[in-house]
Amino acid sequence: ETGVTQTPRHLVMGMTNKKSLKCEQHLGHNAMYWYKQSAKKPLELMFVYSLEERVENNSVPSRFSPECPNSSHLFLHLHTLQPEDSALYLCASSQDVLGRSQYFGAGTRLSVL
Amino acid sequence: TQLLEQSPQFLSIQEGENLTVYCNSSSVFSSLQWYRQEPGEGPVLLVTVVTGGEVKKLKRLTFQFGDARKDSSLHITAAQPGDTGLYLCAGDDFNKFYFGSGTKLNVKP
Repeated sequence: ETGVTQTPRHLVMGMTNKKSLKCEQHLGHNAMYWYKQSAKKPLELMFVYSLEERVENNSVPSRFSPECPNSSHLFLHLHTLQPEDSALYLCASSQDVLGRSQYFGAGTRLSVL
Repeated sequence: TQLLEQSPQFLSIQEGENLTVYCNSSSVFSSLQWYRQEPGEGPVLLVTVVTGGEVKKLKRLTFQFGDARKDSSLHITAAQPGDTGLYLCAGDDFNKFYFGSGTKLNVKP
């Protein structure tokens, strides 16, 4: 148990669907992150939130829309995705925004058909 | 370009062997972390090193932070099949946080 819970664990969606990924952390951390992990590629940082404010957005397509309603919850809203968006999406949290000692959830395995 | 270069990319060894994986950069890092990720799971933090020259031990795993704080190594003694996984180094250069591309380790029984 890492203290970071992601749901769902697996998701299959068509290119016209709208879905959301959820992340919840029970560690009292102030920073939360979304990463994308594809086969044969390093972890790609997508978004960073600090105290519910977005502090980093690494040129992510607008079909990915993050939301952080409070310091414990993070969402990633998905719409009109492409097959190349199929990947493992990981949420993480850390005490501060510099990201030292991040704690990860188990991820959502997303398949876009 | 990758700020943190890990080597080797792949390593397949027999149970009982020793191994070392490396994490190198041309930048100075305030701290470095090592993670292990098993298939279908998220990375799990193993250790954080913050002082140049620091050595930390976690059972059969020994982590070292370079004196100049630009590199780190992970040494595993008497590897076991349970050590199989993707080993990632990560760190912050006082400004941003980076992950390396990882070393995929397979320990055969």
